[in-house]
Amino acid sequence: GENVEQHPSTLSVQEGDSAVIKCTYSDSASNYFPWYKQELGKGPQLIIDIRSNVGEKKDQRIAVTLNKTAKHFSLHITETQPEDSAVYFCAASTHHSGYALNFGKGTSLLVTP
Amino acid sequence: GAVVSQHPSWVICKSGTSVKIECRSLDFQATTMFWYRQFPKQSLMLMATSNEGSKATYEQGVEKDKFLINHASLTLSTLTVTSAHPEDSSFYICSARFRKETQYFGPGTRLLVL
Repeated sequence: GENVEQHPSTLSVQEGDSAVIKCTYSDSASNYFPWYKQELGKGPQLIIDIRSNVGEKKDQRIAVTLNKTAKHFSLHITETQPEDSAVYFCAASTHHSGYALNFGKGTSLLVTP
Repeated sequence: GAVVSQHPSWVICKSGTSVKIECRSLDFQATTMFWYRQFPKQSLMLMATSNEGSKATYEQGVEKDKFLINHASLTLSTLTVTSAHPEDSSFYICSARFRKETQYFGPGTRLLVL
């Protein structure tokens, strides 16, 4: 089955700096890659996603890049703010599995003022 | 964006009782919903895929007789934890599939079994 690795497990940055979280996946059939932000005690919130026919996608301060050949994708957050502090999860899915998500282990991001 | 609700948000029950958790898609129809379980400081683990009008598909290692899933309508899926025990205490989260592959998650239900 699909295996998604996520690094780093924790990340601390100063407000205004950029944060990068990286994920790799094992199943070459994976074609949908969402990123979720989870605050303590809440459900995951979809922040951005990318499909396998696209190499990069940007939404304001958030961007995701995908390298299908290397089977890795990354989340980039620029101009970080304290409210960006949360746990971020990457995931991968395929049409064959009904788009059930395989999650990475998560990255705890702390943005200090 | 699409909204998914869960009820209750938290529940405390005695060992041996059953607990039902509801997952609703509020502003869209979802033919497929998913149920996840999350332990503290860990990732989400897929328990089962719930398809409207058919039996749920359970992941390996998940007891179907213990975690009963019903997806009776396009906006409602329920998870019943039967004969709950302390080891079933966890954070249960549902998601609903919206327009092909996108999943929106509910706020989660925290279950504590005493």
